[in-house]
Amino acid sequence: DSGVTQTPKHLITATGQRVTLRCSPRSGDLSVYWYQQSLDQGLQFLIQYYNGEERAKGNILERFSAQQFPDLHSELNLSSLELGDSALYFCASSEDSGANVLTFGAGSRLTVL
Amino acid sequence: GQNIDQPTEMTATEGAIVQINCTYQTSGFNGLFWYQQHAGEAPTFLSYNVLDGLEEKGRFSSFLSRSKGYSYLLLKELQMKDSASYLCAVALASGGSYIPTFGRGTSLIVHP
Repeated sequence: DSGVTQTPKHLITATGQRVTLRCSPRSGDLSVYWYQQSLDQGLQFLIQYYNGEERAKGNILERFSAQQFPDLHSELNLSSLELGDSALYFCASSEDSGANVLTFGAGSRLTVL
Repeated sequence: GQNIDQPTEMTATEGAIVQINCTYQTSGFNGLFWYQQHAGEAPTFLSYNVLDGLEEKGRFSSFLSRSKGYSYLLLKELQMKDSASYLCAVALASGGSYIPTFGRGTSLIVHP
């Protein structure tokens, strides 16, 4: 157990639907990162939050949004889902926003049918 | 932008040594990480280099040359459990943070 908790572990849904993925960072970590991993793209950075504020944005689609709450947990919302959104979504946390080691959660596997 | 390149796949024999290379072309570099990822699992941290040179940690070592944009991960005394994907990640400056940006990973297959 890495200390980073992600739910749900698996999710199957249909095109056009909306889902929410949840992440609780490791105790004491203030930064949360979201990554998408698909077979042909590797780990792609989506977005990072630090202590409740958005800090960095990667290749995140406009259909996707995220936030970090006062208790530091984070949610990634994916809407108008397409087949190509099927992937493993990882959350990771670190102490701050420097060049830190990331601790990854076990991931949420999303399948869009 | 950034370009991080690693071989797609490598094979090696149990007990042998293998070197996995990573080259990068980036701006705003602040260190290079190596992670190990078993199929379907989360990546786990192996090493971090920010200065040139070799970092040794048990059976694993990592080397960095900033001037050449080059790193390698060296795995010694290979074991079957070392079969995994090895991810090179460069810490890039972005919006006041440093974001680990990953290559596509090298799938290492260790055979008896």
